[in-house]
Amino acid sequence: DQQVKQNSPSLSVQEGRISILNCDYTNSMFDYFLWYKKYPAEGPTFLISISSIKDKNEDGRFTVFLNKSAKHLSLHIVPSQPGDSAVYFCAASARGGSEKLVFGKGTKLTVNP
Amino acid sequence: EPEVTQTPSHQVTQMGQEVILRCVPISNHLYFYWYRQILGQKVEFLVSFYNNEISEKSEIFDDQFSVERPDGSNFTLKIRSTKLEDSAMYFCASSELQSMNIEAFFGQGTRLTVV
Repeated sequence: DQQVKQNSPSLSVQEGRISILNCDYTNSMFDYFLWYKKYPAEGPTFLISISSIKDKNEDGRFTVFLNKSAKHLSLHIVPSQPGDSAVYFCAASARGGSEKLVFGKGTKLTVNP
Repeated sequence: EPEVTQTPSHQVTQMGQEVILRCVPISNHLYFYWYRQILGQKVEFLVSFYNNEISEKSEIFDDQFSVERPDGSNFTLKIRSTKLEDSAMYFCASSELQSMNIEAFFGQGTRLTVV
């Protein structure tokens, strides 16, 4: 039961270019979406989030876009830096309950110098 | 910057033994969670805890699992009789209550190895 899907297990980009990570969801009850970054042997680190009432949220080099009709969101990182190399998890929640997060399988981003 | 801390970082236990994983959530947070990640798989929700009781639990969280907040700071996950398939990274997380932004902040994890 994959309610949150990240279909690209890996992505490789050059430093300075844009990284685009994609995520699809199936549960229409989800109304809050988050991106986490995870380095090996560490816990997920919150990166950016978006509520379903918005279609874009920007924080520095990171922008998340939400297309509710397509049940799709994406994370744009521009410009990409070698330190951005990590596994990126998309997560979704239906607020009003326990606020549990449903995670995708993650996309491993490698930014090459 | 406040953070969620977990101990131990690595726990090795024999099958059938009890383990207790410990967490200190961020002090002003009121929602607490345990998640786990089996090697190579996605992060999975186990249980959420609010107001000294379980608010939601997943199918994974069977009778072998329990959670407790024994004092004002610690939040523990107990596995009564560990199985080989319990080997995973266990992450504790916490979040604020009644916030428009419900980001959960995660600890660094405890790697549980059942042999």
